[in-house]
Amino acid sequence: AQKVTQAQTEISVVEKEDVTLDCVYETRDTTYYLFWYKQPPSGELVFLIRRNSFDEQNEISGRYSWNFQKSTSSFNFTITASQVVDSAVYFCALSSQFTGNQFYFGTGTSLTVIP
Amino acid sequence: DAGITQSPRHKVTETGTPVTLRCHQTENHRYMYWYRQDPGHGLRLIHYSYGVKDTDKGEVSDGYSVSRSKTEDFLLTLESATSSQTSVYFCAISGPGGGFHEQYFGPGTRLTVT
Repeated sequence: AQKVTQAQTEISVVEKEDVTLDCVYETRDTTYYLFWYKQPPSGELVFLIRRNSFDEQNEISGRYSWNFQKSTSSFNFTITASQVVDSAVYFCALSSQFTGNQFYFGTGTSLTVIP
Repeated sequence: DAGITQSPRHKVTETGTPVTLRCHQTENHRYMYWYRQDPGHGLRLIHYSYGVKDTDKGEVSDGYSVSRSKTEDFLLTLESATSSQTSVYFCAISGPGGGFHEQYFGPGTRLTVT
């Protein structure tokens, strides 16, 4: 079965704090892809990153970083020095050779950054 | 930004009436998807298309049908709307690798069934 779990439903942090959003996935495939999306209060869905199962290198993009660990089936997302504009719902998603063209999304983590 | 539009953006309809939502893309992408977003469920796939006239079911396809007669248009039809289909509907597109590529989403359609 393919499954994505985002156990943190809601998180609040004070501006400039670091925050990590957890994503745990399940798949029996050896070839799979993981994604993060951002949904700000305006409602659109914004693609942030894609990672394939053969590339465990961590990625950094500005204040955003992603930690992919196959050993724990996790693909966590860290925002450093959070800003009010980071307030959004963040979704983790999984696709694999087994699921073909289907994405499986987690239920999302709502992040509120307090000024 | 990917060229994806959805129409209408908002719709209120009555139980039992047919409803068609339209997704239009200008990117000439092969794959198109329809999702629904509900609180506590994230996004769930309804149907997707991997080419003109080629479609397949997703996780929550009951009560929905789709059609794709042109590369740029993907229609979602609720034959007889029910209150459980009140939701926000998102269309998405992705490149030739389908699920191995990131998806880009339209702005969404908020549908209320009374």
